[in-house]
Amino acid sequence: EVQLVESGGGLVQPGGSLRLSCAASGFSFSSYAMAWVRQAPGKGLEWVSSILISGDSTNYADSVKGRFTISRDNSKNTLYLQMNSLRAEDTAIYYCSKDRMAPSPGYAFDIWGQGTMVTVSS
Amino acid sequence: EIVLTQSPATLSLSPGERATLSCRASQSISTYLAWYQQKPGQAPRLLIYDASNRATGIPARFSGSGSGTDFTLTISSLEPEDFAVYYCQHRNNWPLSFGGGTKVEIK
Repeated sequence: EVQLVESGGGLVQPGGSLRLSCAASGFSFSSYAMAWVRQAPGKGLEWVSSILISGDSTNYADSVKGRFTISRDNSKNTLYLQMNSLRAEDTAIYYCSKDRMAPSPGYAFDIWGQGTMVTVSS
Repeated sequence: EIVLTQSPATLSLSPGERATLSCRASQSISTYLAWYQQKPGQAPRLLIYDASNRATGIPARFSGSGSGTDFTLTISSLEPEDFAVYYCQHRNNWPLSFGGGTKVEIK
């Protein structure tokens, strides 16, 4: 079964840091681009960041650029999101998602994790 | 940055009726548009990619059309499980972005 399982969310104070992980199984992780998408409570979807298969090409939403870092470990089938200088507006469910195409990305996401909640509050 | 505007915000329909959802891009995005369905408490599900291609396992009652700046998702005959929120997403350039969503609710 193709599966993505996020972890690492929680409550953090403004200015703090968190590292999210996404464990992939059931597919050839190293062949697919991956992404993080977030959803603030009661709001719509917001693309956060994408990474290509080798990990050397990354892109970020302007709202997180310079604060968040996406990375991957293909030997561990795991995607990461390092979040620094967190703000109240970063409060959201963070979803890990898999690109629908390989090896060239299609930038549409066909498999999603269940999400992990990040709450930034004092 | 490309802005996607979805309309209407809410669509009130009965099972068996036809649903027509719109997504308009602030600039031309060719056919680089996807549609997703999201139910409460669940992750999104990919329905359509590249404007008109159904994703694996998506029923034929879902269809997408459009190019340039105007796109449509049509559900030909609403089933009870289709009442949900629908989002469009472009892949024309960075940054990627989603529309604000259309909620399809039971009338």
